[in-house]
Amino acid sequence: GIQVEQSPPDLILQEGANSTLRCNFSDSVNNLQWFHQNPWGQLINLFYIPSGTKQNGRLSATTVATERYSLLYISSSQTTDSGVYFCASRNTGFQKLVFGTGTRLLVSP
Amino acid sequence: NAGVTQTPKFQVLKTGQSMTLQCAQDMNHEYMSWYRQDPGMGLRLIHYSVGAGITDQGEVPNGYNVSRSTTEDFPLRLLSAAPSQTSVYFCASSSQIRGKPWEQYFGPGTRLTVT
Repeated sequence: GIQVEQSPPDLILQEGANSTLRCNFSDSVNNLQWFHQNPWGQLINLFYIPSGTKQNGRLSATTVATERYSLLYISSSQTTDSGVYFCASRNTGFQKLVFGTGTRLLVSP
Repeated sequence: NAGVTQTPKFQVLKTGQSMTLQCAQDMNHEYMSWYRQDPGMGLRLIHYSVGAGITDQGEVPNGYNVSRSTTEDFPLRLLSAAPSQTSVYFCASSSQIRGKPWEQYFGPGTRLTVT
């Protein structure tokens, strides 16, 4: 089945810094989502982005499906951005989302 | 729109007890699923449903039952709780395009401890 790798595994930033998180896939992507799991454990939808580029405030994402990767950009980071960021894609049968191992982000004031 | 709701938020069970985790969505999504999240294991699919009356097993279905009598509700039943079922449980629902699940939304989770 599809394998999902994320990098870096951990990231520590000062408030106001920018960062790029990467997601690599072993197979072609049929749909792709980015989630933020906040310190309270909630999984929050950031982007549904099987291809192309989207922006939402300080966050943007780009997926290059032909090269099997997606990037999440966080600009002017804030302490509330802390948590774990996951990318995920559907398996071939579409029954489940296959998650990456996540990038743990800590933004300090 | 409340989205996907789950109750309870926290639960402690003794080994051998049974209980039902409730899940409801108000987005008229046909596709619903249950995952468990454990440290170092990521999210694993327990059961899923493609519509009322239709359910199927995921990766880790043993010890759990589901039913889907309405589009809105998808309860997860623990038949006889075991310490290995200590986990955080997430319910999810997905929009569909041409009969295939698409963007997925998660509920807030239920943190279950079995002693």
